[in-house]
Amino acid sequence: AQSVTQLDSQVPVFEEAPVELRCNYSSSVSVYLFWYVQYPNQGLQLLLKYLSGSTLVKGINGFEAEFNKSQTSFHLRKPSVHISDTAEYFCAVKTLFQKLVFGTGTRLLVSP
Amino acid sequence: DTEVTQTPKHLVMGMTNKKSLKCEQHMGHRAMYWYKQKAKKPPELMFVYSYEKLSINESVPSRFSPECPNSSLLNLHLHALQPEDSALYLCASSQVGPVSQETQYFGPGTRLLVL
Repeated sequence: AQSVTQLDSQVPVFEEAPVELRCNYSSSVSVYLFWYVQYPNQGLQLLLKYLSGSTLVKGINGFEAEFNKSQTSFHLRKPSVHISDTAEYFCAVKTLFQKLVFGTGTRLLVSP
Repeated sequence: DTEVTQTPKHLVMGMTNKKSLKCEQHMGHRAMYWYKQKAKKPPELMFVYSYEKLSINESVPSRFSPECPNSSLLNLHLHALQPEDSALYLCASSQVGPVSQETQYFGPGTRLLVL
């Protein structure tokens, strides 16, 4: 079965600085990868997804992620963060006939 | 439009009450999901409906009873809940088909408090 690891439980960063949230997965078959964002007291919003094709995926709100098969990673990046990006970010993986599996989440804390 | 709506937003209930959570989507998706999310944890899958039929039950206690009356609606009936059932309940929907189509879209959730 597939699994996802988000090693950083919390990432503090100053406003306008770049940020990278790390995600590593484990699977013996082809994977489909997702990043979701959860703002306080809200549901999950899809940021971006990798299904196939180009390994660099662009999403909403200026985020992008790169699928690296050799390193089994799907790190999320943003070149310049805003206060409003403060939220919980979940990486998730899916394979054929299996359920969506979430990582434990990374809390991004943006301060002025 | 990728909107999934859920009602109510908040719910407080006693352990002897019966209540229902409602989820609705109009994206033509034929798979719908219930997740439970405790504070500072990722969502945990509870149930999956595919073409209005229950396809996955993740060993959820019988005090939670799902229902899918049509392709746009999903309900979760609650009865005799315990305080540890207090959580954010999320609904999601997706297409059914190749995995590449199965992107799940989530609603805003219902925050449930059991007293």
